[in-house]
Amino acid sequence: KNQVEQSPQSLIILEGKNCTLQCNYTVSPFSNLRWYKQDTGRGPVSLTIMTFSENTKSNGRYTATLDADTKQSSLHITASQLSDSASYICVVSRASGGSYIPTFGRGTSLIVHP
Amino acid sequence: NAGVMQNPRHLVRRRGQEARLRCSPMKGHSHVYWYRQLPEEGLKFMVYLQKENIIDESGMPKERFSAEFPKEGPSILRIQQVVRGDSAAYFCASSEVSVGGANTEAFFGQGTRLTVV
Repeated sequence: KNQVEQSPQSLIILEGKNCTLQCNYTVSPFSNLRWYKQDTGRGPVSLTIMTFSENTKSNGRYTATLDADTKQSSLHITASQLSDSASYICVVSRASGGSYIPTFGRGTSLIVHP
Repeated sequence: NAGVMQNPRHLVRRRGQEARLRCSPMKGHSHVYWYRQLPEEGLKFMVYLQKENIIDESGMPKERFSAEFPKEGPSILRIQQVVRGDSAAYFCASSEVSVGGANTEAFFGQGTRLTVV
């Protein structure tokens, strides 16, 4: 069964601290993995995308890693800011008949306190 | 490019009424995905459509729910005889035509919040 599991479910950190969010998946055949940021009441916005051959991808203070052998990914946020408070969603896509079908994790809710 | 446009942003319906949610994809995008997000829950895939075709509807309830993406006009998610459990945020995403996943980025709309009273 194609599943994406994220941990922790929620996380509270102080402004300026670093944190790491985890994503484990069983989606097959693997096409790519994306991390999205979803602010409350808004649609998700893409942060990073990685294919099978990529191990790490950075976007400013966000760094995503991918281990395709263990089917794990992480999103590391450095020097957190109040605006980082959001839900972070891991999305793994599988190839299907020339297109791709994404499977969403339930997200990690991050709260950054001043 | 105005991005993915969903309307209405908020929709209130009484039990038993019909709800019609609209999604206009980004210009040049012919793939549309609908997702439902219940309070405190993650996004759940409902249906994937290309122009005039349903590609994958494995996440859509068999009854009362239907979706279309006509040749002209927006994609429509239709919920007949709504019940309180249908109350949720419904998000639409679109992507441009491509083969293979790496270059197929999906962009999301702001969502429609359906409340059934």
